[in-house]
Amino acid sequence: DAGVTQSPTHLIKTRGQQVTLRCSPKSGHDTVSWYQQALGQGPQFIFQYYEEEERQRGNFPDRFSGHQFPNYSSELNVNALLLGDSALYLCASSRIWDSPSSYNEQFFGPGTRLTVL
Amino acid sequence: AQRVTQPEKLLSVFKGAPVELKCNYSYSGSPELFWYVQYSRQRLQLLLRHISRESIKGFTADLNKGETSFHLKKPFAQEEDSAMYYCASLIQGAQKLVFGQGTRLTINP
Repeated sequence: DAGVTQSPTHLIKTRGQQVTLRCSPKSGHDTVSWYQQALGQGPQFIFQYYEEEERQRGNFPDRFSGHQFPNYSSELNVNALLLGDSALYLCASSRIWDSPSSYNEQFFGPGTRLTVL
Repeated sequence: AQRVTQPEKLLSVFKGAPVELKCNYSYSGSPELFWYVQYSRQRLQLLLRHISRESIKGFTADLNKGETSFHLKKPFAQEEDSAMYYCASLIQGAQKLVFGQGTRLTINP
């Protein structure tokens, strides 16, 4: 099992463009979370997908959207790119939790480095 | 809003010396806290979580509700401990992690 995989590794875009990042979860996982990590900062939660629906969302504008496919893989889309969107985008997968008080470990991918010029 | 604070961006100690990485949290309920580590050229990975009360790679962390802290400690640092360390809090019911800004730990030979 290769674990969580993400593509592409690096990406360079210009302001106003749109970008799509991809994530394949670890085998046996059905939940995908996306995080943005700006330089020198910790990861910041964007949203989470389970059963092809967005279940949780962080404090990010609607320019950030996502999708989950029947095979549990996921995409993160960012429209109208801004310079401030330059960051490392991390995908994390897990199994859906059994109850609100339980927690199943999130496994992180290597990330996609997005540079907006 | 739930917040995790790591007051030190950089921490440098000598091999064999004790290490303490500080983490403070703000949460009104019962927090669940974690330490994640990222070694050079590797992905972010879970080091330990407070409810398991384990010692991983010689590291321990105790939840102090009175001081709202979850400091990471190791009595004798090793060079392979050099890495980026992130403290994180779980928003229960939401299964989303709130991370601190991280501390870069360097162990000098």
